[in-house]
Amino acid sequence: KNEVEQSPQNLTAQEGEFITINCSYSVGISALHWLQQHPGGGIVSLFMLSSGKKKHGRLIATINIQEKHSSLHITASHPRDSAVYICADRGSTLGRLYFGRGTQLTVWP
Amino acid sequence: DAGVIQSPRHEVTEMGQEVTLRCKPISGHDYLFWYRQTMMRGLELLIYFNNNVPIDDSGMPEDRFSAKMPNASFSTLKIQPSEPRDSAVYFCASSSLAGGVGEQFFGPGTRLTVL
Repeated sequence: KNEVEQSPQNLTAQEGEFITINCSYSVGISALHWLQQHPGGGIVSLFMLSSGKKKHGRLIATINIQEKHSSLHITASHPRDSAVYICADRGSTLGRLYFGRGTQLTVWP
Repeated sequence: DAGVIQSPRHEVTEMGQEVTLRCKPISGHDYLFWYRQTMMRGLELLIYFNNNVPIDDSGMPEDRFSAKMPNASFSTLKIQPSEPRDSAVYFCASSSLAGGVGEQFFGPGTRLTVL
């Protein structure tokens, strides 16, 4: 069974702080996805990675295949970053995603 | 492209009624996924299709749930009869694994309330 664990469950930060959200998974992957769910409910794919690091604006995602661990970093956090961040593991089964429970991030001005 | 389209956006129904949720994937995508999101269980996969064929329906909770994909541009998720515990947000997503990409694009979701 593929288990995906995220930490922390809830995170509160002051504007400008550096944010890290962690994700660990139990089996080998073909890709690790990071998703963002806005307060209105829409889900957007942020990153999909199978090795190394990816950067998009203030967001950085890293993955360590040997340790089965990924992190999502937000530099210079802003209130508009407030959302639920979900990691998902696309395991050996083509296409299917296994989801973590999400991290609720709140950034105060 | 308009993205993944779902309808209706909100549905309120009474226990025992049939509910049909609809999804139009992004043109050219060959994978379609139905997900359910609840506070208790988070996001969970119900079923997914590849080239209109159901590949994995192990997440479908019981026989009251059924899903079809009659063609590449349309899918339905049906609940009959509906129960209050089916209240959730149902998302449809589509993707293409061509070139090994596989990013999933989500629809806006259908918020279902069963009274």
